[in-house]
Amino acid sequence: GAGVSQSPRYKVAKRGQDVALRCDPISGHVSLFWYQQALGQGPEFLTYFQNEAQLDKSGLPSDRFFAERPEGSVSTLKIQRTQQEDSAVYLCASSLTGAYNEQFFGPGTRLTVL
Amino acid sequence: AQTVTQSQPEMSVQEAETVTLSCTYDTSESNYYLFWYKQPPSRQMILVIRQEAYKQQNATENRFSVNFQKAAKSFSLKISDSQLGDTAMYFCAFRPTGGGNKLTFGTGTQLKVEL
Repeated sequence: GAGVSQSPRYKVAKRGQDVALRCDPISGHVSLFWYQQALGQGPEFLTYFQNEAQLDKSGLPSDRFFAERPEGSVSTLKIQRTQQEDSAVYLCASSLTGAYNEQFFGPGTRLTVL
Repeated sequence: AQTVTQSQPEMSVQEAETVTLSCTYDTSESNYYLFWYKQPPSRQMILVIRQEAYKQQNATENRFSVNFQKAAKSFSLKISDSQLGDTAMYFCAFRPTGGGNKLTFGTGTQLKVEL
């Protein structure tokens, strides 16, 4: 079956623009995660959904970052008024419930803010 | 809060040889899972191996095995019979069993397998 997909794969934005990044999880996966990966670093947690409920948003770096998953499947990460420090790869992962279960990652969206 | 440390930014190994990547972590949790993920240049993160902290037996997956030392909070990855396709960034990650399911990653080790 299809894995986790993300779009767009690359996004260039001018500072101050709003961007929206999309994640299509594996069908049937209840849990969905967003991570931010700066160049040369490991991914850092942003937010977590279980179905449509956002259970943890402790990793969102500022109120310019907003995520939603209104129907419990596709998720969108929105960044308002982008800044240069937002430049990173944004990874989405999905899994079945439970800490043991593998998180399956998408290919990521590379965001470059000029 | 948990922290994961990978002290080897880069490593190289000859094809068919064995290499060990190190990882240490710090946590006050008693029950958790540890993972090694591989990230090739294509960026797709792939699970290599996982270990439940309550299990004393070290996990193995074909050519990949771990040395889990709970008291020392150490979780190293051994790759046997290294192949060119093993060239990638390797991340160690921690996940508690309760209170959220997020992964905490280390900074990664870039492994290069050479002919």
